[in-house]
Amino acid sequence: SQQGEEDPQALSIQEGENATMNCSYKTSINNLQWYRQNSGRGLVHLILIRSNEREKHSGRLRVTLDTSKKSSSLLITASRAADTASYFCATDATTDKLIFGTGTRLQVFP
Amino acid sequence: SQTIHQWPATLVQPVGSPLSLECTVEGTSNPNLYWYRQAAGRGLQLLFYSVGIGQISSEVPQNLSASRPQDRQFILSSKKLLLSDSGFYLCAWSFKRGGFTEKLFFGSGTQLSVL
Repeated sequence: SQQGEEDPQALSIQEGENATMNCSYKTSINNLQWYRQNSGRGLVHLILIRSNEREKHSGRLRVTLDTSKKSSSLLITASRAADTASYFCATDATTDKLIFGTGTRLQVFP
Repeated sequence: SQTIHQWPATLVQPVGSPLSLECTVEGTSNPNLYWYRQAAGRGLQLLFYSVGIGQISSEVPQNLSASRPQDRQFILSSKKLLLSDSGFYLCAWSFKRGGFTEKLFFGSGTQLSVL
């Protein structure tokens, strides 16, 4: 079963613009993670935010977490063509088990 | 440093044939191990995870099974493949941390086509 749902399903922007993706989940969590997947490849971990944190930054990435709304957002600033990929959120409602959302496909045009 | 190996990269199998996908991790001990499946253009579905040798948790009742014969080896199997078993299979590992799930490190995936 899917724990998280990303929104939008697909996003197309121009280089230099910001990209925002949202994730909603259903149950209480210990942490929420964001991953990136290039077409036909494995996933790469981007950032982890714990349930007691509200915001986290890593380079051009900014993640927020609102546990009262059971939602998170991933902001990529100053997007580049190389950011084109699918982005997934994942939550660990149960220890040792990470459940992924449905993903957002991001297309960044040069 | 740690590495994860998953093979083969691509596999085409007839319906009713057996399956064995292997995943190994190097550079760490006692990892948590995971098998996920991804349908085309979709999210990841957790199939199995293991916290130790011989300890397998199954998430979805299906035509597949998993085994962990050694600490850093995780095998996904089927006795008879179905068309619906087609998909992109991903192995992953994580460190153990008490109380929550650490980040996952993924293999490069196996694209399985059952014809």
